[in-house]
Amino acid sequence: EIVLTQSPGTLSLSPGERATLSCRASQSVSSSYLAWYQQKPGQAPRLLIYGASSRATGIPDRFSGSGSGTDFTLTISRLEPEDFAVYYCQQSGRTFGQGTKVEIK
Amino acid sequence: QVQLQESGPGLVKPSETLSLTCTVSGGSVSSGSYYWSWIRQPPGKGLEWIGYIYYSGSTNYNPSLKSRVTISVDTSKNQFSLKLSSVTAADTAVYYCAREDFRGDWFDPWGQGTLVTVSS
Repeated sequence: EIVLTQSPGTLSLSPGERATLSCRASQSVSSSYLAWYQQKPGQAPRLLIYGASSRATGIPDRFSGSGSGTDFTLTISRLEPEDFAVYYCQQSGRTFGQGTKVEIK
Repeated sequence: QVQLQESGPGLVKPSETLSLTCTVSGGSVSSGSYYWSWIRQPPGKGLEWIGYIYYSGSTNYNPSLKSRVTISVDTSKNQFSLKLSSVTAADTAVYYCAREDFRGDWFDPWGQGTLVTVSS
């Protein structure tokens, strides 16, 4: 089973700052099969990125995904107040990372 | 647009069977391009995939839960269902249904989720 490890566990940033979230896989993952989700308190996860770098419908272009092999990154170019949430990566084995919380500094 | 909605009891006794249904609107469970999945999230914890069903009835379950899980589909009602037997407190979680895309196994959209508590 492929294990996804996200870092950091918590990211404390201010609105307007850039957020860089990491997702590392224990084995190589096909880029087609790496997705990112955003989850706010009391809400279901929402798909942000699929295929490692494609934005889902309606996702603002400040969200971008990159990476290949075992190392993937979600970048939020300029944090908006509504972006403070927990972010999960997921690979095709249907396993999720443990999440990164982006909190207001 | 496709929407999913979970329904079922919010409280289940230990050793009993948890039963939930997901109703799909704005789309069809008979679409050949998607799997229909269940995912759960214990309070304050991460996401765990439970299993999926294809409209034909073929299924795939998380090995850690396989012995206790049954997922079924009712194409006439545009619904799919989850049964989890012999539940314990460790099965207390928010249960989500979601559509899984064949092209890369991502989940979109998700239902709003339903909290199931296992307690006597």
